[in-house]
Amino acid sequence: AQSVTQLDSHVSVSEGTPVLLRCNYSSSYSPSLFWYVQHPNKGLQLLLKYTSAATLVKGINGFEAEFKKSETSFHLTKPSAHMSDAAEYFCVVSDQGGATNKLIFGTGTLLAVQP
Amino acid sequence: DTGVSQDPRHKITKRGQNVTFRCDPISEHNRLYWYRQTLGQGPEFLTYFQNEAQLEKSRLLSDRFSAERPKGSFSTLEIQRTEQGDSAMYLCASSQPGYGMYEQYFGPGTRLTVT
Repeated sequence: AQSVTQLDSHVSVSEGTPVLLRCNYSSSYSPSLFWYVQHPNKGLQLLLKYTSAATLVKGINGFEAEFKKSETSFHLTKPSAHMSDAAEYFCVVSDQGGATNKLIFGTGTLLAVQP
Repeated sequence: DTGVSQDPRHKITKRGQNVTFRCDPISEHNRLYWYRQTLGQGPEFLTYFQNEAQLEKSRLLSDRFSAERPKGSFSTLEIQRTEQGDSAMYLCASSQPGYGMYEQYFGPGTRLTVT
C-alpha cells in the first residue's frame, strides 16, 4: 500500500530564508508523487509532480523537490521564502495499485513566514 | 474559467436533513473524484467515476452517501440524514486520460456545517 509521511506539522521561517518541507513515502510501485498547496479558503493547487522522469522536479513559484529512492524521500524546497508562501502544503502519492489512481495525502505541513 | 467548479461553496444544514452538492469537472476530463477534508487533516478519498461509471467507493462512504455522474459530465454527491460528523470540506477533482492521468485538478470545495 502507498502512504506518505510529512515529518513536520508546522514550519516557521523568516522571509528571504530557505524553505524545507520534509516528506517520506512508502510505495510498492514506482511512485507518482506530488506536492499540493492550500491557501486559506482556497482550493488545492498542484505545485509540482514526479512521475519517474527527472529526479529533480521544478514547480511553480520557485519551489522544487528531489526524488531520492534510496531515502524514500520527496522533500520540497525553495531558496527564499516570500510572505505569500504562507499556506498548508500536502505531500501526495498516487495509488497505482488499481485502476483508480486515487490520491493519498499526508497530514499536511503548515508553513508560516515571518517578516 | 475552465477549472473545476463546485456548488454551493458553503452549506449549513440541521442534523437529519438531506444535502446535495454538485461538481463540474474540466470539460475534457473523464475521471472524477470526490474527497472529504476535515479540520487539520489531508483530504481522504471517497469515490471515483470514469465517465458515468462509479468504479470505486471508500469505506468512508456510508449508506447515507450516494454519488452520481449521469452523463459522464457533472457529478452530484448526496448525503441523507446528515450527522454532525459529516461536517467537513467536500472536494471534487478531475483528471484526464493518458499521460496526465495521475495529476488531479481540484475545485474550491463545498464546506458543509451540520448543526
